[in-house]
Amino acid sequence: EPEVTQTPSHQVTQMGQEVILHCVPISNHLYFYWYRQILGQKVEFLVSFYNNEISEKSEIFDDQFSVERPDGSNFTLKIRSTKLEDSAMYFCASNPSTSTDTQYFGPGTRLTVL
Amino acid sequence: RKEVEQDPGPFNVPEGATVAFNCTYSNSASQSFFWYRQDCRKEPKLLMSVYSSGNEDGRFTAQLNRASQYISLLIRDSKLSDSATYLCVVNIVNQGGKLIFGQGTELSVKP
Repeated sequence: EPEVTQTPSHQVTQMGQEVILHCVPISNHLYFYWYRQILGQKVEFLVSFYNNEISEKSEIFDDQFSVERPDGSNFTLKIRSTKLEDSAMYFCASNPSTSTDTQYFGPGTRLTVL
Repeated sequence: RKEVEQDPGPFNVPEGATVAFNCTYSNSASQSFFWYRQDCRKEPKLLMSVYSSGNEDGRFTAQLNRASQYISLLIRDSKLSDSATYLCVVNIVNQGGKLIFGQGTELSVKP
């Protein structure tokens, strides 16, 4: 069964450093998403992406964040200057057609900012 | 008011018990509804979509009441493997597919 994959599984970085989180969505999917989950809290939407542009973004997704689909398979989330409060699990998700279809989540990247 | 609100947990039940989870949502423009489960420190996984007519998948039954903006999940004959956090999730029309998650209700099934 096709799966969303994410790398790395765990990223440790120093405050102020840039990080790039990588995702490979399911191959025939057209809609891509990033969510985050701070330890002990609920899953929060960050951004949705379709047709090479952002469809929707949350208040969390400020100028420090950006997304890119550099080729036909990868979907990345960049945090330009990490803060302590960026420490969280970051989940990538995708779905095949309309934006209301079921979203399939990757295993997540645990980001730890020191 | 929270966008999606769930029963606070945890629920501790013996194997074989029936357990019900409740969820309310605040945005009347919500158009798709789901129950996901999340195991400790893992990704959310779809358990079932929730349809207006109600739907069943084996031991799991989901109900939706649009007028009351209320969603439920019933688990019958609970198994040890059902232990997880259950997430009530809604999708709002014309918001780029954004899913809004409840805080989750933890279920622990004991032998």
